[in-house]
Amino acid sequence: AQRVTQPEKLLSVFKGAPVELKCNYSYSGSPELFWYVQYSRQRLQLLLRHISRESIKGFTADLNKGETSFHLKKPFAQEEDSAMYYCALLLNRDDKIIFGKGTRLHILP
Amino acid sequence: NAGVTQTPKFRVLKTGQSMTLLCAQDMNHEYMYWYRQDPGMGLRLIHYSVGEGTTAKGEVPDGYNVSRLKKQNFLLGLESAAPSQTSVYFCASSADRGPYEQYFGPGTRLTVT
Repeated sequence: AQRVTQPEKLLSVFKGAPVELKCNYSYSGSPELFWYVQYSRQRLQLLLRHISRESIKGFTADLNKGETSFHLKKPFAQEEDSAMYYCALLLNRDDKIIFGKGTRLHILP
Repeated sequence: NAGVTQTPKFRVLKTGQSMTLLCAQDMNHEYMYWYRQDPGMGLRLIHYSVGEGTTAKGEVPDGYNVSRLKKQNFLLGLESAAPSQTSVYFCASSADRGPYEQYFGPGTRLTVT
């Protein structure tokens, strides 16, 4: 069965420390993964997608098919990174995306 | 462009009442989605549409109906509201199922008493 697992509901990190938000997936097809972010009082928005291999706001994520993971990383956390982060998986055959349960990232001053 | 808009922003219903949530997008997107967001459950797909006149069930469709009579609008209906439907509802649209950026609306907070 297809699913996205984000094991941490809440992650607290000190400003300037490295951040890693974990995401694991289960999917029999070819995976396409995303990270979405929801800042306080803002809409949910796309942060990055694995096919673009881009770095957005200092965040990167590498797809590891062997470990079925797509962890989100940033070397030095900033206070403005505090938000809710969702990992998402595209189900190609069904034209839809499924989301993980989300991880709330709290950056401590 | 307004992007994705949702009406209303807030609503309180009594058990058994009905209502319709409206989602509108002005980006000429083919795909539209309705999600509900609950604490500890993340975003769960209710129904979606891959084009005008089409709808499909998502992960949690029971108790909801949808219609996509016009490309720019996607309606979510609750025929007989239940307290379990208290949630924040998000609509999203995308130009295609890929590369697959979904644009979200601001959300509708619904409380069923």
